[in-house]
Amino acid sequence: GNSVTQMEGPVTLSEEAFLTINCTYTATGYPSLFWYVQYPGEGLQLLLKATKADDKGSNKGFEATYRKETTSFHLEKGSVQVSDSAVYFCALVSGGYNKLIFGAGTRLAVHP
Amino acid sequence: DTGVSQNPRHKITKRGQNVTFRCDPISEHNRLYWYRQTLGQGPEFLTYFQNEAQLEKSRLLSDRFSAERPKGSFSTLEIQRTEQGDSAMYLCASSPRTGGDSYEQYFGPGTRLTVT
Repeated sequence: GNSVTQMEGPVTLSEEAFLTINCTYTATGYPSLFWYVQYPGEGLQLLLKATKADDKGSNKGFEATYRKETTSFHLEKGSVQVSDSAVYFCALVSGGYNKLIFGAGTRLAVHP
Repeated sequence: DTGVSQNPRHKITKRGQNVTFRCDPISEHNRLYWYRQTLGQGPEFLTYFQNEAQLEKSRLLSDRFSAERPKGSFSTLEIQRTEQGDSAMYLCASSPRTGGDSYEQYFGPGTRLTVT
């Protein structure tokens, strides 16, 4: 079945460091891919998405490119801030009713 | 647009009791999803409604779980005879049917259930 694998956390970085969170997927066909973010005490928010191969999703300085050759959708940011501290979830759409399949999440902690 | 709301935000119950959670989706979103998130894991799909029809249920949804969406508006998720393994965050999400954002799901804040 469809699945998503994320790098384990926590990821601890200093402010202004470069961020990469790896995400790979297993799926039939080419599903839409997403990154969701969960800030402390808040609900899941869509961060960015890509609906087809080679698409690049971007938002708030974060980027991810849909790579069908490597079945990956790695999240990157050139310069992280303390306010980026959160849990990040990679997900794909599965099935005719568009349910989401999530990875286990990666906790990011950014220190000043 | 006030977003997806869920009530209660927290629920503590004793094993064997029944609990019911409510989700109010974004108005005019006809798609509604329930997910369960346990500590340290990503959300797992439970069930899907399109308007009032429940069209998909996960194997995670045992016969102790039941969900409804009368009139295609708010939805309820009931757990009967709760067990400690039911302790989790229960998330609701809604989505529009058509348009460029039809894949995007908007999540509520969740209901955290603790079974003692």
